[in-house]
Formats: sequence, structure tokens, C-alpha cells
Amino acid sequence: QKEVEQDPGPLSVPEGAIVSLNCTYSNSAFQYFMWYRQYSRKGPELLMYTYSSGNKEDGRFTAQVDKSSKYISLFIRDSQPSDSATYLCAMSAGNTPLVFGKGTRLSVIA
Amino acid sequence: DAEITQSPRHKITETGRQVTLACHQTWNHNNMFWYRQDLGHGLRLIHYSYGVQDTNKGEVSDGYSVSRSNTEDLPLTLESAASSQTSVYFCASSGPGETQYFGPGTRLTVL
Repeated sequence: QKEVEQDPGPLSVPEGAIVSLNCTYSNSAFQYFMWYRQYSRKGPELLMYTYSSGNKEDGRFTAQVDKSSKYISLFIRDSQPSDSATYLCAMSAGNTPLVFGKGTRLSVIA
Repeated sequence: DAEITQSPRHKITETGRQVTLACHQTWNHNNMFWYRQDLGHGLRLIHYSYGVQDTNKGEVSDGYSVSRSNTEDLPLTLESAASSQTSVYFCASSGPGETQYFGPGTRLTVL
């Protein structure tokens, strides 16, 4: 079992839809959780950062962490064509390198 | 503004040649990382460094080496390039905390 599992998609949604992206993990020591967005032919850029369990909201984006289920989610409200990208989850136990999911490719159709 | 840069952005080389990819950051971050990204594999860690003179092997370190002589730079060397090393290479850095900031990537083709 890989440490971090992420459905690669692709996921295609109409503009304005609510998007849900998810990752599961096996290492209970993980306590730092991140979501990165990567546009085609660009480097990943940090989108959301969460420490331990709970929710964090930033504009149209909400990150959720459920440590009891070892499950993290990213929700995108009112999705836009500009949200079309690959989304990577990443996590760490602290003072260790990040472990990345393989990424989910999202297309938002106008 | 602080940033992280990589050079060259594109490189074509031949099998067996030594290749060095540069990574330079101006955040004064202690931690620096090298990844390769391939379709179906996601980001895979090659080497990383937590400070000057410190280097560590990652998941896919065979055939690669790094050295850290100052805070700003972590060059990645392919000792004898192989076709299996054709990939997109990303450098990243992080300061206190876990958030990594990525460079724009180097697209390497080994013929």
C-alpha cells in the first residue's frame, strides 16, 4: 500500500460546479497537509496548508483533514475554467520530506 | 522578490554524458529538494539537503548526486545520463515549517 493514494482522474466538470478532490494516507504520523496546484508545463504552487485536523477556507477553496479516517479533501466552489490544472496533495510528519500524491487532473468546461 | 530559479529550462543531451542542473533560491531557506516528475509516477524525490554540507538520498537517487556548498544553491548532477532519466526535474526549497516552494522546472531529454 502506498503511503498516499490519490485518484488520477481525469475529472471533468461544468463551470460553476463544486469540485471535491481527495487523498487517503496510511501513515498516522502525518500532521502537515498541503494542496498544490500545477498548471501544464509549470511548477507546483502551494494552494492550501493545514496543520493537524480541521477545516481551512480561502476564498472558493476549502481544505479538510480527517486524521481519524486518514482522509483529506479539497473543495472548490463555483469552479472556473482557470481552475483547470493538476491538483497534488502532500503531507509530512514534520522534519521529514513531503510525500506527494500522484495528482488529479481537473478540467472545468465553460 | 525572493524566488527559486532553475537552469537550463530545457536540455537535450546524449547517453553517457555528465549533466548538471542548477537550482538557486533567494529565500535563504535551509531546506532544498530535487524531484523528477513522470507521467504515471507523480513527483518522486531524488535528493534533499537540510543545510550546507548536508545531503540525503531520496526515493530515486541512483545515478544522481548533489552537493551543497552554500545556502542558495543545490546543483543536481547526472553522472552518466541514461534514457531512463528523460524527465521533468523540479527543485524546491522550504524554510521553517513544511511548505515547499517549487521552481519552474527543467525539461531534460537524453537521446
